[in-house]
Amino acid sequence: SQTIHQWPATLVQPVGSPLSLECTVEGTSNPNLYWYRQAAGRGLQLLFYSVGIGQISSEVPQNLSASRPQDRQFILSSKKLLLSDSGFYLCAWSAPGGGGGPPQETQYFGPGTRLLVL
Amino acid sequence: QKEVEQNSGPLSVPEGAIASLNCTYSDRGSQSFFWYRQYSGKSPELIMFIYSNGDKEDGRFTAQLNKASQYVSLLIRDSQPSDSATYLCAVNMDPSKIIFGSGTRLSIRP
Repeated sequence: SQTIHQWPATLVQPVGSPLSLECTVEGTSNPNLYWYRQAAGRGLQLLFYSVGIGQISSEVPQNLSASRPQDRQFILSSKKLLLSDSGFYLCAWSAPGGGGGPPQETQYFGPGTRLLVL
Repeated sequence: QKEVEQNSGPLSVPEGAIASLNCTYSDRGSQSFFWYRQYSGKSPELIMFIYSNGDKEDGRFTAQLNKASQYVSLLIRDSQPSDSATYLCAVNMDPSKIIFGSGTRLSIRP
């Protein structure tokens, strides 16, 4: 079965410091991968998604970037964190190809990383 | 802009009653519709998907879809305190991604 890991689980960082969050998926090949941010009490904001190695689509221009160095690895980075970057960061995957069961767009979420920028 | 709209709530329902959660979407071409549940401090988990007009039942949960009205709903029968959570409606408006509503907070009172 498929599993998705994110680390770290929580992070407290000073303003202006760099950031690197990692997400890995097991049990599937060539997944679509997604990074979301959820501010306290708010909905999900799609930040980046990737349909393959090295292919990154940015949804919101900001001081964050994403990379996909391997098929099942997705990294979210920042060179200098802002106070407004605080939030709950969620990685998700979907499996293109269909073949019955849930639609191929169905997304499955990792446990998330809670980031507090002070 | 493609949108998914939900009432933010909170929706308060007595234990044992039916909870009804609603969602509207803007893209008439959407094909797949999802309901996720998110407990406080946790990540969203998929509870149902639907892509045909009508009802789809899974245990105490029923998803209803009306494409002509661009409306999808989730009914929870025999509501339990453990159903208290935020429920996110999501709709595919692109082959590679789905759009999430902002969620409805549901509270089941004993």
